[in-house]
Amino acid sequence: DGGITQSPKYLFRKEGQNVTLSCEQNLNHDAMYWYRQDPGQGLRLIYYSQIVNDFQKGDIAEGYSVSREKKESFPLTVTSAQKNPTAFYLCASSPSSSGLNEQYFGPGTRLTVT
Amino acid sequence: DAKTTQPTSMDCAEGRAANLPCNHSTISGNEYVYWYRQIHSQGPQYIIHGLKNNETNEMASLIITEDRKSSTLILPHATLRDTAVYYCIVRVAYRGGGADGLTFGKGTHLIIQP
Repeated sequence: DGGITQSPKYLFRKEGQNVTLSCEQNLNHDAMYWYRQDPGQGLRLIYYSQIVNDFQKGDIAEGYSVSREKKESFPLTVTSAQKNPTAFYLCASSPSSSGLNEQYFGPGTRLTVT
Repeated sequence: DAKTTQPTSMDCAEGRAANLPCNHSTISGNEYVYWYRQIHSQGPQYIIHGLKNNETNEMASLIITEDRKSSTLILPHATLRDTAVYYCIVRVAYRGGGADGLTFGKGTHLIIQP
């Protein structure tokens, strides 16, 4: 099956620990994205990548880091510098970087930090 | 991207057409109207998009007013599985730097009543 996978679905961490969320796609898409969603709110863009080895900050990049070493993978690290890391994290991909194509979303990872 | 305004919530009876309005009075000539929906605790799903002509696909129809300042998403025969938050997004098709992310508001919570 083609699609976007995120794992795990639920993740629990202690405050002060870094944690990496995985995102893999086998759709051969060039562009990939990370969003954060808080309860009752819309999605906010954290980072995005148009091609391998390149990525840009989104609206709320502080406290997060990413890498794009392979086309199919775009992991997100939530660092201890992120003040409110508990949230629902969504990864998406898009066929090209033209901006016209729709985005395909993964099932999300719900991170809880205590 | 232009700002959009949507009602917070709407009800619709199962089997009837659900009409979801969106106001985007500041839309510019090169901006498309996109609709996504998000079923509880899942990733958003693309529905449809359009520029100025009405569009229809297997999921829905999109009606854009002649002045493009508003649009309506129509689900012709709503089912219980259509209960979700529906997001109307206005987006430039291409920017010089390539595709950045989508800007999600709070959307409309559509509840299909049995």
